[in-house]
Amino acid sequence: DAGVIQSPRHEVTEMGQEVTLRCKLISGHNSLFWYRQTMMRGLELLIYFNNNVPIDDSGMPEDRFSAKMPNASFSTLKIQPSEPRDSAVYFCASSLWEGYGYTFGSGTRLTVV
Amino acid sequence: KQEVTQIPAALSVPEGENLVLNCSFTDSAIYNLQWFRQDPGKGLTSLLLIQSSQREQTSGRLNASLDKSSGRSTLYIAASQPGDSATYLCAVRVNNDMRFGAGTRLTV
Repeated sequence: DAGVIQSPRHEVTEMGQEVTLRCKLISGHNSLFWYRQTMMRGLELLIYFNNNVPIDDSGMPEDRFSAKMPNASFSTLKIQPSEPRDSAVYFCASSLWEGYGYTFGSGTRLTVV
Repeated sequence: KQEVTQIPAALSVPEGENLVLNCSFTDSAIYNLQWFRQDPGKGLTSLLLIQSSQREQTSGRLNASLDKSSGRSTLYIAASQPGDSATYLCAVRVNNDMRFGAGTRLTV
């Protein structure tokens, strides 16, 4: 298995533009988590899905952020419009069930200028 | 809400020394605890996973312990090497959610 795959690895965009981050889960995993990492705040959970259903999105900072899971193996995180303070590394992780550990993707480094 | 604390925030040791990293959590009702390693500019690599019913896990020079009742875990690294330099994060899983500590930055 190729693991959790995120794309793009790096994204530089101008303020106000729409940004879409993508994540492919490990085959067979049924839980998907989006995290944001910054120097100031560390790793923050944004949203997680279980069996394609969003369970908790209380970590999503604003309405500018939205996440979808159109099928069991793929998810997107969209920021519209993007702002400089959204600059961070965004990770997704997948897991099989509560007793399993997490497997992280390599992250997307987002820079909004 | 589950709070995860890691002490110290940074640690510098000479090569060859044994060391212990600490992790504490406030809610003992956890499914498991996982230790990760993160190199600068990289993603998180899982090191050890301890289920709530277990007391410890070992992998090579690494040993992680879990004391659920006291809300503590330790990661023991034996005979440290320069390649061990990284940030080490612990995370606890409660329900279908995982909460992370801020990490300990280790320099060997």
